[in-house]
Amino acid sequence: AQTVTQSQPEMSVQEAETVTLSCTYDTSESDYYLFWYKQPPSRQMILVIRQEAYKQQNATENRFSVNFQKAAKSFSLKISDSQLGDAAMYFCAYRSLNSGYALNFGKGTSLLVTP
Amino acid sequence: NAGVTQTPKFQVLKTGQSMTLQCAQDMNHEYMSWYRQDPGMGLRLIHYSVGAGITDQGEVPNGYNVSRSTTEDFPLRLLSAAPSQTSVYFCASSPLAVNYGYTFGSGTRLTVV
Repeated sequence: AQTVTQSQPEMSVQEAETVTLSCTYDTSESDYYLFWYKQPPSRQMILVIRQEAYKQQNATENRFSVNFQKAAKSFSLKISDSQLGDAAMYFCAYRSLNSGYALNFGKGTSLLVTP
Repeated sequence: NAGVTQTPKFQVLKTGQSMTLQCAQDMNHEYMSWYRQDPGMGLRLIHYSVGAGITDQGEVPNGYNVSRSTTEDFPLRLLSAAPSQTSVYFCASSPLAVNYGYTFGSGTRLTVV
């Protein structure tokens, strides 16, 4: 199975500031998709953003954007203008046909937002 | 509301007991899966299904059983609960295409004492 690594178990950011969460993955495939999920204290898993590997343009969803570096196998999430409601666990995930359609998750990064 | 319905939300079992976690989706998704979430371990795949009558094992299948008799339902059975199965369990579904993310259920917190 493809390996997804989130090297930052915990991160902290002040309200209104910008924070970047790191994710790297290991694959020999050329066609795959990458995702970031948010898990607030409610436990619900929420899809934040998605990136197609064949697209060079980085995905953006409002205050959330990614920096996708295919050659480096890196997929970081940038949160701009951080809000208290952004405090959550964030999971990076990989999906491809060869992974049997399964989402392979990293171990997560816990984001703390301070006033 | 369309989505994934997972029951129960909380459960306490005694070691050796069996139980079934229920999962139903109304989006006609072919793909369904069960994950367990443990602190510091992320989400690990237990079992998955790509359609009615088809199931397969994921990363951590031991001690769990699944079946998929209909497109909508994908129950997870704990055969003989052990304390190591204390975890949060998520059911998820998606179309059978890799460009889709999952739709998750709300999770079940299971404690085995």
